[in-house]
Amino acid sequence: AQRVTQPEKLLSVFKGAPVELKCNYSYSGSPELFWYVQYSRQRLQLLLRHISRESIKGFTADLNKGETSFHLKKPFAQEEDSAMYYCALSGTGRRALTFGSGTRLQVQP
Amino acid sequence: DAGITQSPRHKVTETGTPVTLRCHQTENHRYMYWYRQDPGHGLRLIHYSYGVKDTDKGEVSDGYSVSRSKTEDFLLTLESATSSQTSVYFCAISEREATGELFFGEGSRLTVL
Repeated sequence: AQRVTQPEKLLSVFKGAPVELKCNYSYSGSPELFWYVQYSRQRLQLLLRHISRESIKGFTADLNKGETSFHLKKPFAQEEDSAMYYCALSGTGRRALTFGSGTRLQVQP
Repeated sequence: DAGITQSPRHKVTETGTPVTLRCHQTENHRYMYWYRQDPGHGLRLIHYSYGVKDTDKGEVSDGYSVSRSKTEDFLLTLESATSSQTSVYFCAISEREATGELFFGEGSRLTVL
């Protein structure tokens, strides 16, 4: 079975501080990992995926197969980064994403 | 935003009554999904569809049924609503299977009294 764990329900940081949202997964095969974000009053949307290795809104995430992690990082948090963040996994042969429980990021001024 | 709408957006109902939520897309995407969002559980898959009349169960499918008679519509039905089904329900669509990007609807908030 595949599983995604986000250990922090809430992460509160000050503007300009570094941010790391943790995501660990359990999957025996070769997974694809994603980060989705839900800003206040907006739809859930894709933030980034590991295969593209791109930086979106200053966020990056590296897949670490040894530690089975896909942590989301940003060196300097902005107030507009405040949102709910979900890590998601897609395994070979499965037709739907498995989501973690989410982490709410609060960036204080 | 992708052309995906959910209805109703808000509903309050009583235990034991049937409820149907509708997801309508104008993108002609093959794959459609119903998730529920609950605090501490995140998003959990209820059912999904990989084509007209082709559906399969997700991890929390008990008490729910779905139908997809047209590409654009994916219906979620609670045959006899229970308080444990109080939740926010999200529909999502995808052009490709799970490796593709999901586009979400705005959500339907259901309260079962």
